[in-house]
Amino acid sequence: GENVEQHPSTLSVQEGDSAVIKCTYSDSASNYFPWYKQELGKGPQLIIDIRSNVGEKKDQRIAVTLNKTAKHFSLHITETQPEDSAVYFCAASPNSGGYQKVTFGIGTKLQVIP
Amino acid sequence: GAGVSQTPSNKVTEKGKYVELRCDPISGHTALYWYRQSLGQGPEFLIYFQGTGAADDSGLPNDRFFAVRPEGSVSTLKIQRTERGDSAVYLCASSSGQTGTQYFGPGTRLLVL
Repeated sequence: GENVEQHPSTLSVQEGDSAVIKCTYSDSASNYFPWYKQELGKGPQLIIDIRSNVGEKKDQRIAVTLNKTAKHFSLHITETQPEDSAVYFCAASPNSGGYQKVTFGIGTKLQVIP
Repeated sequence: GAGVSQTPSNKVTEKGKYVELRCDPISGHTALYWYRQSLGQGPEFLIYFQGTGAADDSGLPNDRFFAVRPEGSVSTLKIQRTERGDSAVYLCASSSGQTGTQYFGPGTRLLVL
C-alpha cells in the first residue's frame, strides 16, 4: 500500500516568514495530492490539492509543488499569519474524483509566532 | 448549509463495552468515509461507503469493528468488546462523488478506560 512520509513534524516561524512542509510518497499509482489543515478540536479541512498532470498550483498565500519523478510534493505558505497555526497533513490518493482512498502523512504542527 | 456532524463529540467507556458512533453526512453526498486518528498521527482509513454498501472495508482493524449505512445517509460505526487501544478520535467524511473532495466532521473522541 501507499506510504506517505512528512517532515518536519513541528515548525515554528515568525509572523510574515514563509513555511515549507515536505512529503514523499511510495506508490507510483498515486496521482492526487490533497493538503489538509486541522485546527484543535476540529476535523481536517482541505486547503489545496494538486493532480499529477500539474507541477505547481497556487492559491493566494499557499502553493503546492509536485515532482512525480522523485515522488516529492511540498506545501509553501508565504507571509504567515498567527491564524495559520495548526496541524497540516499531506496526503496521496490514486484517484482525484469518485472514490479517494487517501493515505495521510503524520502531520506537521505549525506555530506562527506573532 | 450544514456540514458533516458526528455524535457524540466525546465518549468514555469501559474496556469490554460496546459503543456506537454516528455520522450525519452533508445532504446529498453519496460517498462516506470513516477514519481513525490516534494522538499525534494522521487519519487512518477504516471504511468507505458508496450509497448503502461498504465498497471498501479494508481498513477495519479486526472483526470487532463494523459500520452500516442502511439508507445511504447516516452511518454508524460500531465497536464491540472495546479495548484500551481503540482510544482515538474517529472521523467521518463525506463527498459528492463527483469532485471527490472529502469534507470532514469534527470527530468523536473515544476513550476506553
